[in-house]
Amino acid sequence: DTGVSQNPRHKITKRGQNVTFRCDPISEHNRLYWYRQTLGQGPEFLTYFQNEAQLEKSRLLSDRFSAERPKGSFSTLEIQRTEQGDSAMYLCASSLAAGRGDEAFFGQGTRLTVV
Amino acid sequence: TQLLEQSPQFLSIQEGENLTVYCNSSSVFSSLQWYRQEPGEGPVLLVTVVTGGEVKKLKRLTFQFGDARKDSSLHITAAQPGDTGLYLCAGDKGGSYIPTFGRGTSLIVHP
Repeated sequence: DTGVSQNPRHKITKRGQNVTFRCDPISEHNRLYWYRQTLGQGPEFLTYFQNEAQLEKSRLLSDRFSAERPKGSFSTLEIQRTEQGDSAMYLCASSLAAGRGDEAFFGQGTRLTVV
Repeated sequence: TQLLEQSPQFLSIQEGENLTVYCNSSSVFSSLQWYRQEPGEGPVLLVTVVTGGEVKKLKRLTFQFGDARKDSSLHITAAQPGDTGLYLCAGDKGGSYIPTFGRGTSLIVHP
């Protein structure tokens, strides 16, 4: 399977703990995106990378959130000092930048529950 | 304010019925994608439309991009229970391609 892979699928953590999620994009895709989705909403953009460069961050991405994409391959999203409001589905997507119509393909997501 | 407004928000129909869901904006998009998402899973890409007025068909699903590239519709013919899911539209925001999503239409097809 060469789709986008996210780990773990589910994470339950206590408030105040740090968590880290991993995303492995489709190989040769140079763009990688992180989104957050809560119940009844569409995915909300958090940040994206082109190769290893983080090009844009949403205002939703507080200073407790950090994302990396070393060597332009897999990416990690870390949340420090988790809060109950961080409970959501965290989605990763990748695309091959090719002008108009480039399409983002999503992983299965990581469901975070902060208790 | 959502960049993309989707309607209706919820739709509950019987198997065999036809339906249309809409994705509207005041902005022009260079391309627009439709996704279907099942509970607990990531969105799955259905189609991309790039040309104003373009119509694409995927079995019983027909996608149309508005002439002005500001809106799109998805029509499902003879809906089946397997069509149940959240239908999301997404368009690029400004010059760099960052898919921006609507809130989706939640469809339930009853057998």
